[in-house]
Amino acid sequence: QKEVEQNSGPLSVPEGAIASLNCTYSDRVSQSFFWYRQYSGKSPELIMSIYSNGDKEDGRFTAQLNKASQYVSLLIRDSQPSDSATYLCAVSRNTGGFKTIFGAGTRLFVKA
Amino acid sequence: KAGVTQTPRYLIKTRGQQVTLSCSPISGHRSVSWYQQTPGQGLQFLFEYFSETQRNKGNFPGRFSGRQFSNSRSEMNVSTLELGDSALYLCASSMDRDAGYEQYFGPGTRLTVT
Repeated sequence: QKEVEQNSGPLSVPEGAIASLNCTYSDRVSQSFFWYRQYSGKSPELIMSIYSNGDKEDGRFTAQLNKASQYVSLLIRDSQPSDSATYLCAVSRNTGGFKTIFGAGTRLFVKA
Repeated sequence: KAGVTQTPRYLIKTRGQQVTLSCSPISGHRSVSWYQQTPGQGLQFLFEYFSETQRNKGNFPGRFSGRQFSNSRSEMNVSTLELGDSALYLCASSMDRDAGYEQYFGPGTRLTVT
């Protein structure tokens, strides 16, 4: 079992729709959870961080965390073609220093 | 505030050689992590440095090493290069706050081993 699992996709949604990206993790002591966006040929860019159960909203993005289910999700409202990218879920824990494990990523295509 | 910088951006080496990559973190960030990204394996954690000390290490052979200087700049070294070391090497810096560990990535160094 991978430590952080994501559907590889591709996930295809029409412009203006809601894109829903999901992630599960195996380490129950994980403390910090992140979503990164990576465009082809570029480095990952942090778009959301979440540390406690519930929802966190930032503009068109909403991150959801459920530690009991070991589940993190990212909702993108009013999806735009510019949102087409690979979205990486990352999970960190403090083991005397932080160690971050990334999922393999979900490719999202937003069709105009 | 300037972002994370990495040098060089591209590198071509032959098998058996060694390579040193450099990373300058965002000003004020004291934690630097290194990752290897390949199409097949995704983003894999190499190691993390804080205040010149390696705090965490991933599952990579001893050919991969790193260090951090007093100004938080970091270098990673790969000795006896193998074809499988061809990858994008990413450096990420963080303020290492107790409440979280948001990392910001540099543009990466694309290493090709022939």
